[in-house]
Amino acid sequence: GEQVEQLPSILRVQEGSSASINCTYENSASNYFPWYKQEPGENPKLIIDIRSNMERKQTQGLIVLLDKKAKRFSLHITDTQPGDSAMYFCAASTTGGYKVVFGSGTRLLVSP
Amino acid sequence: GALVYQYPRRTICKSGTSMRMECQAVGFQATSVAWYRQSPQKTFELIALSTVNSAIKYEQNFTQEKFPISHPNLSFSSMTVLNAYLEDRGLYLCGARRDNTEVFFGKGTRLTVV
Repeated sequence: GEQVEQLPSILRVQEGSSASINCTYENSASNYFPWYKQEPGENPKLIIDIRSNMERKQTQGLIVLLDKKAKRFSLHITDTQPGDSAMYFCAASTTGGYKVVFGSGTRLLVSP
Repeated sequence: GALVYQYPRRTICKSGTSMRMECQAVGFQATSVAWYRQSPQKTFELIALSTVNSAIKYEQNFTQEKFPISHPNLSFSSMTVLNAYLEDRGLYLCGARRDNTEVFFGKGTRLTVV
């Protein structure tokens, strides 16, 4: 299968706390995992990605973890701010396969 | 930088009519272009994927007869929604990639069917 499952669908956190979004994938050949942030009325924008030769990647308050054995990857936003409120989508893709399969999205709500 | 432009941004069409939307990659040559639909409250459904030197591949539930796509070169693609009905409404996104890099999305064409 090619499905990507994403949880939770809604995530409410307090400003300054961390937020975690989890995704699982079915295709064991998947080796590229991007995360997109979509604000209302806007197109999705890549915020961080990880390839299968890595287990962890960090950039500007974002951490992505990849567990290939469990076919699981996750996004962790540290020190959340109200500006982090948006829809977040995980996705999976394979080398040589141009298809990118998206998760169902997580609505993150950061309250002051 | 790499950008993807989509036109029009918003469109309203009468039920049963058709509308065409366009996608232009700027600053890079896209080796693949995918059309997605984001329906209200849903994630991205892949409609079809067009890659260099390959036929356009449609996903289940989407057909060439309903969503004909033209991809004449590495920077331009267009898709038509034929006979649009209420269930076709949503945000149509074009995503272009160069090789196995990130997908660059356009801002989408929001289709309203009345």
